[in-house]
Amino acid sequence: GESVGLHLPTLSVQEGDNSIINCAYSNSASDYFIWYKQESGKGPQFIIDIRSNMDKRQGQRVTVLLNKTVKHLSLQIAATQPGDSAVYFCAENPPRNTPLVFGKGTRLSVIA
Amino acid sequence: EPEVTQTPSHQVTQMGQEVILRCVPISNHLYFYWYRQILGQKVEFLVSFYNNEISEKSEIFDDQFSVERPDGSNFTLKIRSTKLEDSAMYFCASRGDSGKQYFGPGTRLTVT
Repeated sequence: GESVGLHLPTLSVQEGDNSIINCAYSNSASDYFIWYKQESGKGPQFIIDIRSNMDKRQGQRVTVLLNKTVKHLSLQIAATQPGDSAVYFCAENPPRNTPLVFGKGTRLSVIA
Repeated sequence: EPEVTQTPSHQVTQMGQEVILRCVPISNHLYFYWYRQILGQKVEFLVSFYNNEISEKSEIFDDQFSVERPDGSNFTLKIRSTKLEDSAMYFCASRGDSGKQYFGPGTRLTVT
């Protein structure tokens, strides 16, 4: 189990640089994945999703990569801005509409 | 853009008291969820609701918890007798057929 007061991994990047946030998921049968952004005191905000029949999906300034072989997801943010500072969670959706399972999160800090 | 709303934003209650947390999901969504997030920890699934009944619940969702959709717009979470360890952020989420879950801003529950 996890300890109380979980320490989040932190990624610090310079404004304008690209950010890469990684996530390992647990269920090889999961068929749908979502990245969420959570700012302090707010609810998770949908960023981008990807289905298991894809390896890559691009949005506005964000790209999600899926490697099913090693059960790994990454979120790439281009030209990171101060407003991107937040905690980023990946979530996997196991089959048969069972609930989302959230990863631990990574705190992204953008240095102006 | 449609969004999930939650009230109140902050609820303070004494141990042993009942609380009801309220949510208004996105209007054309059919799947509803409650999650909680203890400070500094990851988002945890509590319960999912579809077609006027619970479709899945976690170990956290014991007999002290209940959910209800009293009318066509509201979705509530009731905790009958609150404990100190129920203090957390509670998030409501809803999703449509696309699979994307949209989260509300959360209710911060403080049990004293």
